Amino acid sequence: AQKVTQAQTEISVVEKEDVTLDCVYETRDTTYYLFWYKQPPSGELVFLIRRNSFDEQNEISGRYSWNFQKSTSSFNFTITASQVVDSAVYFCALKGGSYIPTFGRGTSLIVHP
Amino acid sequence: KAGVTQTPRYLIKTRGQQVTLSCSPISGHRSVSWYQQTPGQGLQFLFEYFSETQRNKGNFPGRFSGRQFSNSRSEMNVSTLELGDSALYLCASSLGRGDTISYEQYFGPGTRLTVT
Repeated sequence: AQKVTQAQTEISVVEKEDVTLDCVYETRDTTYYLFWYKQPPSGELVFLIRRNSFDEQNEISGRYSWNFQKSTSSFNFTITASQVVDSAVYFCALKGGSYIPTFGRGTSLIVHP
Repeated sequence: KAGVTQTPRYLIKTRGQQVTLSCSPISGHRSVSWYQQTPGQGLQFLFEYFSETQRNKGNFPGRFSGRQFSNSRSEMNVSTLELGDSALYLCASSLGRGDTISYEQYFGPGTRLTVT
C-alpha cells in the first residue's frame, strides 16, 4: 500500500521568510512518481512539479525548490522569500504501480504580510 | 488553452436524491479522473476514465459511478445521496491514461456538493 505523510498541518510565516514543507512517502514500488500541488482558496489544484523515482536531482524553479531523497523517502518543498500569494494548501502525491494516486493530507501555508 | 471546466460549481441536494456532475477536460486530454475532497478524509481517488473506459476505481460504494463520452467529457453520478457525500468533487484531466504514471494531472475548480 502507498502512503504519503505531510506531518505539518499548518505553517504560519511572515512574508520574506523561507519555508519548507515536508513530505514523507511509503511505497513498495521501484518505479513511482511524486508530485506537488498547490490549492489556493479558489479550490483548484495547481500542478507544481513531478519527479520520478530514478531522478534524485534537486530542482529549482524561481522561488520554489524541491529536495528528493530516496534514502529517507522524502520529497520536501521549499519556498524562498515567501509572499502572501503563496498562501494556500499544498499537497504532496505519489503514484506508483497501482496507478492510483495517493495524496497527503496537505499543509496549509499562511503567509502574513 | 482552456483549462478543465466543471459544472455546476455549487449544488445543494437532499438525502436520497441523486446528482450528476460534469467535467470537460483540457482539449486533447483523453484521461479524466474524479476525486472527492472532504475535511475528514482528504483527497480520495474515485475513478479514472480513458477512451470511454473506466481504467481504475477507488474504494467507494457502487452509488458512485461515472462515464466518459467520445469527446472525452465525463460525468459522475451519485445515487441515493447521504449526508457524508457532502464534499468538493474535483475532476482532473491528463494527456495519457492513468497507467502511464508519469503524466501530471490538471484539475478543475471543483463542484461543491452539499447534502442536507
